[in-house]
Amino acid sequence: ETVLTQSPATLSLSPGETATLSCRASQSVSGHLAWYQQKAGQAPRLLIYGASNRATGIPARFSGSGSGTDFTLTISSLEPEDSAVYYCQQRGNLPETFGPGTEVDIK
Amino acid sequence: QVQLQESGPGLVKPSETLSLTCIVSGGSISGYYWSWFRQPPGRELEWIGFIHYTGSSRYNPSLKSRVIMSVDTSNNQFSLKLNSVTAADTAVYYCARYGVLLAGVHYMDVWGEGVTVTVSS
Repeated sequence: ETVLTQSPATLSLSPGETATLSCRASQSVSGHLAWYQQKAGQAPRLLIYGASNRATGIPARFSGSGSGTDFTLTISSLEPEDSAVYYCQQRGNLPETFGPGTEVDIK
Repeated sequence: QVQLQESGPGLVKPSETLSLTCIVSGGSISGYYWSWFRQPPGRELEWIGFIHYTGSSRYNPSLKSRVIMSVDTSNNQFSLKLNSVTAADTAVYYCARYGVLLAGVHYMDVWGEGVTVTVSS
């Protein structure tokens, strides 16, 4: 199966700063990658699909890029409510898989 | 606005069958693929499988021998059965809709709130 590796594991930033999250796949997933935000006790929320397309209602502060095996989620002008765990998920190869997540803490 | 709600027992004994149902409200189950995921405590999400409203399905090979999914279009719901459970199946179980389509690939845009299932005697 396709293994996704995310880095860093944790990120501690201040409001207004920019977060850069990385997701690397063990084999090409083409552009079939999504990013999800999950807050404690809540279901995941789709942020980005197809590597770079924002889901409905997602602020423009969230942007995604990449293809093949290397992907990036960028969150600019961080706000306190962006504190969450961010997961990447690939749909390029079955079984679809998730990365271990990056925890973003806005202090 | 489409909403999903998982239901089922929160406690299942080892070797028994875990049974969950996802009720779809605010929209039709027809026309979509639907999925089940789970998240063991402190770990990442794991895809269990998906089912089309027509009944065709695909399962994660790691669970395939123990999983059955079904769909009930008349009641706008779909279900998951996982047999021969062990403590390793303890997790929060989520249902979701593959509602976004891009370049022939679907992505999950609506999720249930999740249900905690503990496997213990």
